[in-house]
Formats: sequence, structure tokens, C-alpha cells
Amino acid sequence: EDKVVQSPLSLVVHEGDTVTLNCSYEVTNFRSLLWYKQEKKAPTFLFMLTSSGIEKKSGRLSSILDKKELFSILNITATQTGDSAVYLCAQRTQGGSEKLVFGKGTKLTVNP
Amino acid sequence: DAGITQSPRHKVTETGTPVTLRCHQTENHRYMYWYRQDPGHGLRLIHYSYGVKDTDKGEVSDGYSVSRSKTEDFLLTLESATSSQTSVYFCAISQESYNEQFFGPGTRLTVL
Repeated sequence: EDKVVQSPLSLVVHEGDTVTLNCSYEVTNFRSLLWYKQEKKAPTFLFMLTSSGIEKKSGRLSSILDKKELFSILNITATQTGDSAVYLCAQRTQGGSEKLVFGKGTKLTVNP
Repeated sequence: DAGITQSPRHKVTETGTPVTLRCHQTENHRYMYWYRQDPGHGLRLIHYSYGVKDTDKGEVSDGYSVSRSKTEDFLLTLESATSSQTSVYFCAISQESYNEQFFGPGTRLTVL
């Protein structure tokens, strides 16, 4: 069973729309949740969330964590074609060495 | 961009041949990771290193070995490549295990 589940798997919107991407995770040994953006190359880091209810923001992108309901959302406002990418979330768990477990990603397509 | 390079960037090889992929960093980060990315599976951890000569297995380590003789270099070896190891391989680095990971540009490996 997948530990990190992202939804939707794909999404097509028009420029200017606002989108919300979802990521649910397991509670076991949770330490932090990370978001990455992947265009046709390496994933690039967006946010790391550790505390519930505190929004992280960067330009038109924002993300928040709900540790009670075990999910995170990534919001993108006023989408642009350059936002087209696969968005990955990853859970980090506590342990001897903290590793990331990735979801399968949400493919976002922004049409002009 | 974090100073991470991978070589080669593309490789085609035949089943049964040994293959070594190299990851080189100039950030002096302690942790280094090897992932593979396949359609339908997302990013999965193969091996990681928490210091020179200190390595451990990830989720999909069978058929792979690693070595780290210097802080800046992390090698991934496929002793006898199989077609199931056709994939895109990403190296990542992080300062400590609880920090965000930064990814290299990736190596596309095809095993015929």
C-alpha cells in the first residue's frame, strides 16, 4: 500500500486558474513533508513543512500541512504555462536515518 | 542550482554488462542518495550515504552497490545490468538527513 498518495494524478487548467494539489501521508514516525516541482529534468525543491497550520509561501505558490488529518495541499494561484510540470510530495519519517518516500506525483498542464 | 553533476547523462548498454554511474557534488554535503524514477512508481531510493565509507540500503537496493571514498563522489554500480534496470537515475544531496534534498540532472540508462 502506498504511503504517500497524491491527487489528482493529472490536471489540465487554463492560464489564470487557481489549482489545489493534494498529498496524504502516513502518520507513522512523521517528521516533515516536502514538495518538489519536476519539469522535464530533475526535481526542484519548493517547500518543506513540519508544523501544522503554518502556511509557507513563495510567490504564487503556497502550501500548508494538516497533521491532524494527515495531508498537505499545494496551491498555485494565477497559473501560467510555466507552471506545467509534475508536482511531487514526499514524506520524511523519523528513524536512524531519515529518508524520503515520494508519491507518484500530480501532472499539471496549464494551457494558454 | 546546487553543485551536483552526474555522469554519464545517457548510457545504452547490454544485459549482463557492468555499469557505473557517478555523482559529484561541490557543496560538501554529508548525505548523498541514489534514486531511480520509473513511470507508475515515482522516485524510489536505491542506496544512500551518510559519510565517507558509510552507506545503507534503500527501498530497491537489489542488483545495485554503491561506494563513497570521498565526500564529493558517490558511485552507483550495476554489477550485471538487466533490462529491469532501464530507468532514469537521480543523485541527490542534503546537508543533514533532516534538510531538503537537492537533485542532480539525472542519468538515463537503457539496458538492451
